[in-house]
Amino acid sequence: NAGVTQTPKFRVLKTGQSMTLLCAQDMNHEYMYWYRQDPGMGLRLIHYSVGEGTTAKGEVPDGYNVSRLKKQNFLLGLESAAPSQTSVYFCASSLGHRGYTFGSGTRLTVV
Amino acid sequence: DQQVKQNSPSLSVQEGRISILNCDYTNSMFDYFLWYKKYPAEGPTFLISISSIKDKNEDGRFTVFLNKSAKHLSLHIVPSQPGDSAVYFCAASGNQFYFGTGTSLTVIP
Repeated sequence: NAGVTQTPKFRVLKTGQSMTLLCAQDMNHEYMYWYRQDPGMGLRLIHYSVGEGTTAKGEVPDGYNVSRLKKQNFLLGLESAAPSQTSVYFCASSLGHRGYTFGSGTRLTVV
Repeated sequence: DQQVKQNSPSLSVQEGRISILNCDYTNSMFDYFLWYKKYPAEGPTFLISISSIKDKNEDGRFTVFLNKSAKHLSLHIVPSQPGDSAVYFCAASGNQFYFGTGTSLTVIP
């Protein structure tokens, strides 16, 4: 049982490049989330989904897009990467709003 | 504006002693609280939770206390072990979870 799997684990982008981060969960969870973690800022919610085909904005959605075409996958896209998006990104899933299972993170550097 | 605050970025404790990690929140509508533990290069993992209808929840060496009037919760680890060295995040639930900034705990052997 893999839980929540994030790919890739590391990535370096040039300013203006685009990329997609993939999150996959095998627990049949309805809810999925994308967070970013920055020093002194804790975990901040970017976007989330309450079910297949649905997405919603979190606390810091600007510069990101998401899609939930399949229940088990939640994709986070950066259309034009900026240095301010250098961060560690965590995906999480849950059955409801009662505790998350997190992936191991993606460390993204934008130069 | 940070709705969940952990005012101590770091804490060092001797092995065998008690570790107390604190967390404050601003929204009285929060009804569920959790603590997560995070090791370097890993995702946060669930540690312990408490509902707003309780003021204490215990799981082995870990106890979470909730003071609703003060909008404050704390995590007690007794006795502290070197393997407890990690970053601890508290989180509070409204329509979504809000996380604190984390406290880095170092347990000194």
